[in-house]
Amino acid sequence: GAGVSQTPSNKVTEKGKYVELRCDPISGHTALYWYRQSLGQGPEFLIYFQGTGAADDSGLPNDRFFAVRPEGSVSTLKIQRTERGDSAVYLCASSPTTGLATDTQYFGPGTRLTVL
Amino acid sequence: GQQLNQSPQSMFIQEGEDVSMNCTSSSIFNTWLWYKQDPGEGPVLLIALYKAGELTSNGRLTAQFGITRKDSFLNISASIPSDVGIYFCAGQLRAGKSTFGDGTTLTVKP
Repeated sequence: GAGVSQTPSNKVTEKGKYVELRCDPISGHTALYWYRQSLGQGPEFLIYFQGTGAADDSGLPNDRFFAVRPEGSVSTLKIQRTERGDSAVYLCASSPTTGLATDTQYFGPGTRLTVL
Repeated sequence: GQQLNQSPQSMFIQEGEDVSMNCTSSSIFNTWLWYKQDPGEGPVLLIALYKAGELTSNGRLTAQFGITRKDSFLNISASIPSDVGIYFCAGQLRAGKSTFGDGTTLTVKP
């Protein structure tokens, strides 16, 4: 079946602009995760949804970052007033049940964001 | 916050050799995970460990959850060219949030 998809695959923007990154999880998966991966580093946790609500948003770096999942399926990560330091690959993952420790997180291919 | 130290940073080995990499943490985790990431793709889970002392195998891969809950290792036996990639460890203290190491880049020479 279809895996996690993310759009766009690449996004180039200018400093100060607003961007939205979209994640389509695997159908039926109730948990959804956003991570950010800088070059040469491992993924860094941003936020985790169970259904429509953010169960843990402790990884969001500041109030320029916001994520929504209004219908418990597709999620959008929104970044306001982008800075060059926001350049990274933004990864989305989903898992099938309600966030139990034994869930397997299935990752999408990521959106590469470049802020000029 | 929690940090994971993953070593070695990179490895260059001959096809057929065994590989060992490890991960240590300054604090405990309740779950240890090992992932592989290929260029342009997201990480793919290889092995999950849920109990201190647990030793788990998946084909040529073997991983262990350290008894102190602060470390884990991954072994790959009889490496093949398709083992090339970046291997990440990750720890979870609670469901949802994973803390990742910075990866071990594996190169296998035929």
